[in-house]
Amino acid sequence: QIVLTQSPALMSASPGEKVTMTCSASSSVSYMYWYQQKPRSSPKPWIYLTSNLASGVPARFSGSGSGTSYSLTISSMEAEDAATYYCQQWSSNPPTFGAGTKLELK
Amino acid sequence: EVQLVESGGGLVKPGGSLKLSCAASGFTFSSYAMSWVRQSPEKRLEWVAEISSGGSYTYYPDTVTGRFTISRDNAKNTLYLEMSSLRSEDTAMYYCARASSGYFDYWGQGTTLTVSS
Repeated sequence: QIVLTQSPALMSASPGEKVTMTCSASSSVSYMYWYQQKPRSSPKPWIYLTSNLASGVPARFSGSGSGTSYSLTISSMEAEDAATYYCQQWSSNPPTFGAGTKLELK
Repeated sequence: EVQLVESGGGLVKPGGSLKLSCAASGFTFSSYAMSWVRQSPEKRLEWVAEISSGGSYTYYPDTVTGRFTISRDNAKNTLYLEMSSLRSEDTAMYYCARASSGYFDYWGQGTTLTVSS
């Protein structure tokens, strides 16, 4: 199965700061998907097909990448962005998730 | 509005069984494949089952094959997950999720399974 490695596992950012987190796949995948999860809530779809924002996701978020390397970027950190972000692939079975990047507000 | 509402979680002894349900509304349930995804206490997400829209095809990872059975009743708009031979490592929050174009575009609020003696 394809293993997704997210880095860093934990990071903090100040309001207004640019944030980038990465997801590395053990084999090439066609697309990457991202979810945002806050405490006591279920994961929310956040970015699909590598770079498309899900409904309601602020435009300061973006996704990019190809092959085995993908990233999620926040152009300007806001307090509400503090959460854990998970990447996911389904280019091959079984679908797999990364372990998550926890983003805290500095 | 799409809604997925899980139920049936609880405390089960190792080796025991449990059946989870997920009531779906707000979309044409019979048109979508559905999955169960679990999240461990360590917050790891793991896909555990998928069923095709009509229910003819099911898929599982090796970790649950032979122990978990996914099913659906399209007339009742309900998804199920029957679990047996439960182990402590099955302890998790179980989410029902709609599968669409390679990802999970709607999730329920989850139901908790604890396997402990």
